[in-house]
Amino acid sequence: EIVLTQSPGTLSLSPGERATLSCRASQSVSDNSLAWYQHKPGQAPRLLIYSASIRTTGIPDRFSGSGSGTDFTLTISGLEPEDFAVYYCQQYGGLRSFGQGTKLEIK
Amino acid sequence: EVVLLESGGGLVHPGGSLRLSCTASGFTFSDYPINWVRQAPGKGLEYVSTISGSTTGGQRAYAESVRGRFTVSRDDSKNTVSLQMYNLRDEDTALYYCVKDMFVPWGAFDMWGQGTMVTVSS
Repeated sequence: EIVLTQSPGTLSLSPGERATLSCRASQSVSDNSLAWYQHKPGQAPRLLIYSASIRTTGIPDRFSGSGSGTDFTLTISGLEPEDFAVYYCQQYGGLRSFGQGTKLEIK
Repeated sequence: EVVLLESGGGLVHPGGSLRLSCTASGFTFSDYPINWVRQAPGKGLEYVSTISGSTTGGQRAYAESVRGRFTVSRDDSKNTVSLQMYNLRDEDTALYYCVKDMFVPWGAFDMWGQGTMVTVSS
């Protein structure tokens, strides 16, 4: 089972700033089968990025994903007020697993 | 429109059993893997189980935390996936989401239900 470790646990930033979220896998993620989700209280999680770097339809281009193998990054350029939420990475190449999440909060 | 609707949650004593159901619409149900993901109060998302679609023979997978206690099944004639949970523990208390894979035979999780709450308590 692949263990995903996200950092930082909490990220405090202001609107307009750039957010960089990290996800490290305990072993290589096959076919870069790595996704990022946004989760807000009282809502179902929303898929942002799949295959490490492909934005889902309707996701603003300020969200971008990168990385391969064991190291992946979600970047949000120019934070909007609605971007403050919890973000999870997930690998789906084998037995699926999630990271523990990064809380993006307003500074 | 793709819709996933969970049901069957409730309060159960430790050691008890519960069966969750997920009824889906808006896509060719039999083709797609369906998953269960849970979130305990104040905690993060946790993968629980997957049942693959007809193209891969309905293979089942489970997280280590539930393996041997939970059983996933599907009835393609009713567009339904079930999660039978046995020997429930306090730590199984969570909101359980039914989730669809994005692609066939597998992919990221593109559509989520609203969840059904399971509370394990004496």
